[in-house]
Amino acid sequence: LAKTTQPISMDSYEGQEVNITCSHNNIATNDYITWYQQFPSQGPRFIIQGYKTKVTNEVASLFIPADRKSSTLSLPRVSLSDTAVYYCLVGGPAGNKLTFGGGTRVLVKP
Amino acid sequence: NAGVTQTPKFRVLKTGQSMTLLCAQDMNHEYMYWYRQDPGMGLRLIHYSVGEGTTAKGEVPDGYNVSRLKKQNFLLGLESAAPSQTSVYFCASSGRLAGGLSSYNEQFFGPGTRLTVL
Repeated sequence: LAKTTQPISMDSYEGQEVNITCSHNNIATNDYITWYQQFPSQGPRFIIQGYKTKVTNEVASLFIPADRKSSTLSLPRVSLSDTAVYYCLVGGPAGNKLTFGGGTRVLVKP
Repeated sequence: NAGVTQTPKFRVLKTGQSMTLLCAQDMNHEYMYWYRQDPGMGLRLIHYSVGEGTTAKGEVPDGYNVSRLKKQNFLLGLESAAPSQTSVYFCASSGRLAGGLSSYNEQFFGPGTRLTVL
């Protein structure tokens, strides 16, 4: 199983950019990297997914270096509503390869 | 389109009792999963299914059983509940949508079931 390591928490302020790095040293060739967001008392919600280089969507960017041993989720101009726990997920189609990291608790302050 | 639904939302059991949690999805997904989340912790995979009639063990399968008799439903059973099984249980599903727009790894989660075992 590809184990992931993330910072436990980080604070930011409204309007700033937040970058969360996830380490996954033993990522397999077929593994994708996916990030989820979770608010209290809710199930996680998909944010972004990538395999290599850079991926961008309307809410975030995902940077993956060539060796794929880490990835960085970038949230531009965060707001108070972005306060949540963010999980890095590494895995492929087979269910037993899916591993959630410990999550990073992001607190956005006014 | 309801997505992923879970029944019940809350449940309190006594040690030794049994119960079944129901997960249903209306997205025609091949894969379904059961996770548990303990307070302040990340999600841990209990069991999963890659298709109707098939199930497999995840990271923490002991004390749980599952069945996937229909593609849209995934049941999680506790035969003899223990206080250590007090947790929030999340069901999820994933699959490739028509046109290949979605990867298998994008999981859609239900709202969770909060289970307390006394």
